Amino acid sequence: DQQVKQNSPSLSVQEGRISILNCDYTNSMFDYFLWYKKYPAEGPTFLISISSIKDKNEDGRFTVFLNKSAKHLSLHIVPSQPGDSAVYFCAGESPGGSARQLTFGSGTQLTVLP
Amino acid sequence: GAGVSQTPSNKVTEKGKYVELRCDPISGHTALYWYRQSLGQGPEFLIYFQGTGAADDSGLPNDRFFAVRPEGSVSTLKIQRTERGDSAVYLCASSLTQTSNEQFFGPGTRLTVL
Repeated sequence: DQQVKQNSPSLSVQEGRISILNCDYTNSMFDYFLWYKKYPAEGPTFLISISSIKDKNEDGRFTVFLNKSAKHLSLHIVPSQPGDSAVYFCAGESPGGSARQLTFGSGTQLTVLP
Repeated sequence: GAGVSQTPSNKVTEKGKYVELRCDPISGHTALYWYRQSLGQGPEFLIYFQGTGAADDSGLPNDRFFAVRPEGSVSTLKIQRTERGDSAVYLCASSLTQTSNEQFFGPGTRLTVL
């Protein structure tokens, strides 16, 4: 049972345009959501997060939107740059037990074309 | 180098052999996590340490997998009697405390079992 789903394995966008990456989740216990960015041969790096009590968080070119009723979140990148080309992972986090465990989606490969 | 480091970066072994993968977390981070990322998938949680103790090992696939963190800093993931299905990238992450939302990832160890 995939608790976090990223249904688009890849996305291509022209430089300067908006990139929208989508993520759906099923676990209602998630109280925090994070987006990680991963370049080849590197570990994921934290990009932006949002608490489940909010519906939007913005950081520079990156904005994350959360729709709790639809169990859906999205990452918007405006304007997109070639350096944004990477795999983007959505993750849900729950406080269960003694750990804040991350549950990742399968990722979306974003390619920004110059 | 203030980030999480992992050694080796690549490990090729034969089926049935024993391997050890090492993780050096960020200095001062008390929480340490191991994840496994198979091709085309997001990272999957394996085990979490708070200090020296394994606080949550619910993600370990079977008893061939074991991890230690004897002094509360460096951690070693140990895999006995390796199988071809163990081939994956093994990622280590650390966070300042067990309640910190952001986890910092290392570059991973790519394990190939022939």
